[in-house]
Amino acid sequence: AQTIHQWPVAEIKAVGSPLSLGCTIKGKSSPNLYWYWQATGGTLQQLFYSITVGQVESVVQLNLSASRPKDDQFILSTEKLLLSHSGFYLCAWSEGINQDTQYFGPGTRLLVL
Amino acid sequence: SQWGEENLQALSIQEGEDVTMNCSYKTYTTVVQWYRQKSGKGPAQLILIRSNEREKRSGRLRATLDTSSQSSSLSITGTLATDTAVYFCGRHDTNAYKVIFGKGTHLHVLP
Repeated sequence: AQTIHQWPVAEIKAVGSPLSLGCTIKGKSSPNLYWYWQATGGTLQQLFYSITVGQVESVVQLNLSASRPKDDQFILSTEKLLLSHSGFYLCAWSEGINQDTQYFGPGTRLLVL
Repeated sequence: SQWGEENLQALSIQEGEDVTMNCSYKTYTTVVQWYRQKSGKGPAQLILIRSNEREKRSGRLRATLDTSSQSSSLSITGTLATDTAVYFCGRHDTNAYKVIFGKGTHLHVLP
C-alpha cells in the first residue's frame, strides 16, 4: 500500500526567514506529485505539480519554489517567508495522466509571525 | 454552489437527513472529483465521476455530472454526525495536471 508522509507536522516561523517543507511517497513508482496551499477555512489552491524527477511546473506564483530531487520526494521552499504564507500545506500524488484521483498527505500547518 | 462567485456555503442538518451539495463551472470539464476534508486533516476523495457516467454511487453517496448545465452534485443519504466535514468539488483544467477546487461546503451534522 502507498503511504504519503509530510514533514514537519507544524511550524512557527518569523517573517523573512527561510522555509523548507517535505513530502515523501512510499510504495508507488513514478507518481505525479502536487503541492497545495489552503488558507484557514479556505479552498485548496494548487501551487506546483511534477510529473518526473527534476521537473516541476508552477501553477500559481506565491514567492515559493518546489523541487523534486528524487522520484519519491517533493520539496517546497522559500528563502523569505511572508505573513501571507501562513496556512495549511498539502502534498498529493496521483497515478495516471488521465485526470486521476489525487491522494493527499496529512499536511503541514505553517504560522508566520 | 461552489466555483461560482458565491460565498463559502455552510449547512447544518440533523443526523438522518439527506443533503445535496452543488458545483457549477463555466468551462467544459469531463471529470469532477468530490473530496471530504475533516478538521485538521488532508482531503480524501469520495467519488470521481466522468462525463460519460452522469451518475455514480458509493454507499450513501451519489454524484452526478451534467455537462449540458455544467454542474455537478453530491448527495448524502441518511447523514451521520461523522459526515461533518468540508466537501470540495474539483475539476481538471485543460491541463490534466491542474485541478481547480471549489470554495467548499461546510456540512455540520447534528447528532
